[in-house]
Amino acid sequence: EAAVTQSPRNKVTVTGGNVTLSCRQTNSHNYMYWYRQDTGHGLRLIHYSYGAGNLQIGDVPDGYKATRTTQEDFFLLLELASPSQTSLYFCASSEEGGTEVFFGKGTRLTVV
Amino acid sequence: GDQVEQSPSALSLHEGTGSALRCNFTTTMRAVQWFQQNSRGSLINLFYLASGTKENGRLKSTFNSKESYSTLHIRDAQLEDSGTYFCAADTNAYKVIFGKGTHLHVLP
Repeated sequence: EAAVTQSPRNKVTVTGGNVTLSCRQTNSHNYMYWYRQDTGHGLRLIHYSYGAGNLQIGDVPDGYKATRTTQEDFFLLLELASPSQTSLYFCASSEEGGTEVFFGKGTRLTVV
Repeated sequence: GDQVEQSPSALSLHEGTGSALRCNFTTTMRAVQWFQQNSRGSLINLFYLASGTKENGRLKSTFNSKESYSTLHIRDAQLEDSGTYFCAADTNAYKVIFGKGTHLHVLP
């Protein structure tokens, strides 16, 4: 089974702060994803990648950057955090696009 | 509008009973997944289907790609089945789109 590890698990930052969320998967999956989960919206796709150096824009990308440095590692960057970005963030991976997706345990981010 | 519509949004069941959750899709989907989100917030993989029906214990799921829907049947509900159930479907653009979830509460 895919192992997807997110860090940190919890983070509090101030408005205007700089935050990096990290994700590592150890099953050699090509695709990695960042989602945010908010009450009333379910999970929404921020960015995804199909390999090292690749980045694709998701459905709610504004205010977020992402970088896929290796096949294993996918980072989500908030360079000027705002309270609207307070959310539960999930990283996920899949072997290919359209195959089964496996999730990390989530990072709860609070922007005060 | 939403591409993945889940119903009902909330459901209460007594232990030992069963029900069905449904996802309707407004566009052609290549595959569907079902997840349970537990009280700790973790997303647990239940099923992945490109077509047909799969069963695992007290859970059974069907994906009808022609008629654009999927169902998750729960029978003999237990307290630990409480949580939020999400379906997620894969569009042709290799993006996985989630429904808004069904909040299931199993009552003693």
